[in-house]
Amino acid sequence: DADVTQTPRNRITKTGKRIMLECSQTKGHDRMYWYRQDPGLGLRLIYYSFDVKDINKGEISDGYSVSRQAQAKFSLSLESAIPNQTALYFCATSDVGRGTDTQYFGPGTRLTVL
Amino acid sequence: DQQVKQNSPSLSVQEGRISILNCDYTNSMFDYFLWYKKYPAEGPTFLISISSIKDKNEDGRFTVFLNKSAKHLSLHIVPSQPGDSAVYFCTATVGSSNTGKLIFGQGTTLQVKP
Repeated sequence: DADVTQTPRNRITKTGKRIMLECSQTKGHDRMYWYRQDPGLGLRLIYYSFDVKDINKGEISDGYSVSRQAQAKFSLSLESAIPNQTALYFCATSDVGRGTDTQYFGPGTRLTVL
Repeated sequence: DQQVKQNSPSLSVQEGRISILNCDYTNSMFDYFLWYKKYPAEGPTFLISISSIKDKNEDGRFTVFLNKSAKHLSLHIVPSQPGDSAVYFCTATVGSSNTGKLIFGQGTTLQVKP
């Protein structure tokens, strides 16, 4: 079984709809991250969490919110989706040890906002 | 502004030859660099890293070189294999901040021809 899973893997939605992307991990890591990837660009950090009570904004948090329901679960919400949020979204985890620890990525969710 | 730049969107090499992927950065606070590899429909996976206190790190066929004065990294793959065909992301972080926030380059698509 995959260590970091994301659901759904693909989603098409309409402008103005609320949508939630979910991430679960079995690695036992404390840190979790949400990134988005746009064509021709690298991944950009949306939010990150060091534990269930510690959530921080990344580079591009506007229009997004997150919830850390448990150590193993980190959800990303788009309260009112807009077309420029069409992108590939990745969740990642890392151990608490150091900021240089390897991040382990999920397979991604492809989101299309019409 | 793009703090980590991979100016070559794509690279094609023959199997058995050397692949050299380049990366430049602008933020002198970056002190730890990681390369991730990404196959289609999968999340990025960690490949190799280097601390700013070193100028070279080697792991099997993969070697990363760091030139701090030029703010430049390169990833060498020798010999290249068809299975190395993937997108390679150069990333950087301020390890001493312990945030784990990675800044990604745009990625370079490597094609290794049999």
